[in-house]
Amino acid sequence: KAGVTQTPRYLIKTRGQQVTLSCSPISGHRSVSWYQQTPGQGLQFLFEYFSETQRNKGNFPGRFSGRQFSNSRSEMNVSTLELGDSALYLCASSFSGSGNQPQHFGDGTRLSIL
Amino acid sequence: GQQVMQIPQYQHVQEGEDFTTYCNSSTTLSNIQWYKQRPGGHPVFLIQLVKSGEVKKQKRLTFQFGEAKKNSSLHITATQTTDVGTYFCAVETGNQFYFGTGTSLTVIP
Repeated sequence: KAGVTQTPRYLIKTRGQQVTLSCSPISGHRSVSWYQQTPGQGLQFLFEYFSETQRNKGNFPGRFSGRQFSNSRSEMNVSTLELGDSALYLCASSFSGSGNQPQHFGDGTRLSIL
Repeated sequence: GQQVMQIPQYQHVQEGEDFTTYCNSSTTLSNIQWYKQRPGGHPVFLIQLVKSGEVKKQKRLTFQFGEAKKNSSLHITATQTTDVGTYFCAVETGNQFYFGTGTSLTVIP
């Protein structure tokens, strides 16, 4: 069974640009969550999608948005990039997003803002 | 939001020594999960604890859930270099996972 796939692995952008990251969950998994990981802040929850609907959103500005498609693949978009957005962005999938299910993480997209 | 404190932040041990990381919550938890992230890798699920006072073992790793379900610990006996990485606890509230700050383990050969 293929794992969670995130593309691209690395991205370099400049301030003010926008970026779209992609996540393909494990086959059969309908919940996709996105996290931002930085050395100073650790793993912070961005949002969670289930059946194309955003069920939860973390404490991030509106520049961070996402969506989920009918095949459960998800995209995350960050507009008007800032230096502080440099981070590893991880997505995780699970069957239903229930708290008693393990989350399966992808390798992440490392975003660098110049 | 949910607060999950994890200590220590860093731990350096000689190979063969034991290691313990602690996770504390201000609220009663329904369950708690533990993950390991190797350097340059992604978090990998280790185990889930559900019951008050529950203890689970995976080879040299022992996981414990507190009686009040507000804290948990991960203990590694006789560490090996393969244990290097950051260990996170994670709790769920309303379909949102909150991860602890993690404990970074360095094992000195």
